[in-house]
Amino acid sequence: EIVLTQSPGTLSLSPGERATLSCRASQSVSSSYLAWYQQKPGQAPRLLIYGASSRATGIPDRFSGSGSGTDFTLTISRLEPEDFAVYYCQQYGSPTWTFGQGTKVEIK
Amino acid sequence: EVQLVESGGGLVQPGGSLRLSCAASGFTFSSYWMSWVRQAPGKGLEWVANIKQDGSEKYYVDSVKGRFTISRDNAKNSLYLQMNSLRAEDTAVYYCAKNEGGTFDYWGQGTLVTVSS
Repeated sequence: EIVLTQSPGTLSLSPGERATLSCRASQSVSSSYLAWYQQKPGQAPRLLIYGASSRATGIPDRFSGSGSGTDFTLTISRLEPEDFAVYYCQQYGSPTWTFGQGTKVEIK
Repeated sequence: EVQLVESGGGLVQPGGSLRLSCAASGFTFSSYWMSWVRQAPGKGLEWVANIKQDGSEKYYVDSVKGRFTISRDNAKNSLYLQMNSLRAEDTAVYYCAKNEGGTFDYWGQGTLVTVSS
């Protein structure tokens, strides 16, 4: 099983600031089969990024993903009020899929 | 519009069974892998199981192998999760999700399963 470790656990930032979230895999994720999701309280998660760097339909371009192998990054260029939420990475490069434990982006 | 509506959650005693259902609409159900994902109260997301379009392949997280069974009925556009030998640690909101290339591109609103005596 591929274990995903996200850091930091919590990120305290102000609107307009840049957010950089990390996701590290215990072994290489094949073909960059890595996705990012956003979840707000009481809501289902929403797909943001797939294939490590491709934005899902309707996702604003302030969200970007990068990385390969074992190290991946989600960047939010300028935080909007609606971006404060929990973010999860997920790998789908093996038959059994796994999520990271999440990074909470909170208002400073 | 894609819609996924889960049902069947509730309170069950340890060792008991429960069957979750997910009614899908707005897309060609038989053309996509489908999954169940759960989230324990205040915790992160955990993929539980997935199933291929024709039901010929199924995969499970280790913690539910031998206890949970995923299935589907393409004629009814429905996904199921049969949960047996339930434990307290199975308490969670269970989401039905449509898969696109291994990602979860659409989610239901979830159904709460509580395992407690």
